[in-house]
Amino acid sequence: DAGVIQSPRHEVTEMGQEVTLRCKPISGHNSLFWYRQTMMRGLELLIYFNNNVPIDDSGMPEDRFSAKMPNASFSTLKIQPSEPRDSAVYFCASSRRDEQYFGPGTRLTVT
Amino acid sequence: GESVGLHLPTLSVQEGDNSIINCAYSNSASDYFIWYKQESGKGPQFIIDIRSNMDKRQGQRVTVLLNKTVKHLSLQIAATQPGDSAVYFCAAAGPGYSTLTFGKGTMLLVSP
Repeated sequence: DAGVIQSPRHEVTEMGQEVTLRCKPISGHNSLFWYRQTMMRGLELLIYFNNNVPIDDSGMPEDRFSAKMPNASFSTLKIQPSEPRDSAVYFCASSRRDEQYFGPGTRLTVT
Repeated sequence: GESVGLHLPTLSVQEGDNSIINCAYSNSASDYFIWYKQESGKGPQFIIDIRSNMDKRQGQRVTVLLNKTVKHLSLQIAATQPGDSAVYFCAAAGPGYSTLTFGKGTMLLVSP
């Protein structure tokens, strides 16, 4: 199995631009999680889906952030408009039961 | 809400030593715990997990101990190797599995 796949691995954008991060979970996993990691705040859960349905989005910072999961094999996290404080590493993870498997992350830099 | 924290931000050991990384959690109703290892530039990697009906679980060179009385979790790594150098996170979930709450992480540095 290829594991959780994320793209792009690195993204550098200017403030105000739209950013879309992509995730392909492990086949057969029915839960998908988006996390943000910074030095100051550590790993924060942004949103998670179960069977493609958003279950808890209380971690989404503000309306500039949105996430979708149109099918079991694909999810996106969008930031529009982006701000410098959004700079972080964004991880996607998937699970079938309890254990979550993480992707390699997308390092986002907003200048 | 749940909070999970680590006692030591950095742990330095010599190759071959045993390492112990500690973690405290706040929610006494937590019933599932995981240790993750994160190497530079990579995502967290599952090491070992334990449920609240156990107090010890062993893997390959790793042991997790759970003390529910004091809400404390530890990860023991035997014969630590330079490849073990990474940031280690504990995470807790429950009651009933929903989402994981992660601690801030402990950096383990292994010197040859």
